[in-house]
Amino acid sequence: DIQMTQSPSSLSASIGDRVTITCRASQSISSHLNWYQQKPGKAPNLLIYTASSLQSGVPSRFSGSGSGTDFTLTISSLQPEDFATYYCQQSYSTLTFGQGTRLEIK
Amino acid sequence: QVQLQESGPGLVKPSETLSLTCTVSGGSISSYYWSWIRQPPGKGLEWIGYIHYSGSTNSSPSLRSRVTISVDTSKKQFSLKLRSVTADDTAVYYCARPATVGTPWDGFNIWGQGTMVTVSS
Repeated sequence: DIQMTQSPSSLSASIGDRVTITCRASQSISSHLNWYQQKPGKAPNLLIYTASSLQSGVPSRFSGSGSGTDFTLTISSLQPEDFATYYCQQSYSTLTFGQGTRLEIK
Repeated sequence: QVQLQESGPGLVKPSETLSLTCTVSGGSISSYYWSWIRQPPGKGLEWIGYIHYSGSTNSSPSLRSRVTISVDTSKKQFSLKLRSVTADDTAVYYCARPATVGTPWDGFNIWGQGTMVTVSS
């Protein structure tokens, strides 16, 4: 299986901050990388697919980049509704998720 | 728009079989792959397996020996059976569909609300 490692595991930030979350794959996955946001008690919500494509309806402050083994999710200016847990997921081979990054209010 | 709804018992005894069904509404079950994903309390997401509307399946190597996924296209439903459950199988179980027709693992843009299953005697 391809292992996905996210960093940091948790992060404290303030409204308006620029935030970056990193996801590293244990082998090259080209651009087969998706990002999700999950709020407590809710199903995950797809934010970014194929590393950098913004899912319809997702605010433009979210962006993704990377290819191969290293990927980033950036939130350009944190809004109150962005405090949640974020997961990366590789779709190159047998599906695996990162362990999650919890984004909390500072 | 397409919606998914999981259903099944919320409590299963150890060593028994967990059985869940996902009903597809607002769209066709054809052409897509349909997945089961679970999340233990306070933990991350784990893919369980998928089924194509044609009936082909694949599942996580760690669960493969205990998992059966089936589809009933006439009812627009697909189902999960997980045998010989233990407390480690306690989780919220989601059904989900990828955004892209014909691909099993591209970004999942449609999810059910999730159903909590507890394994306990």
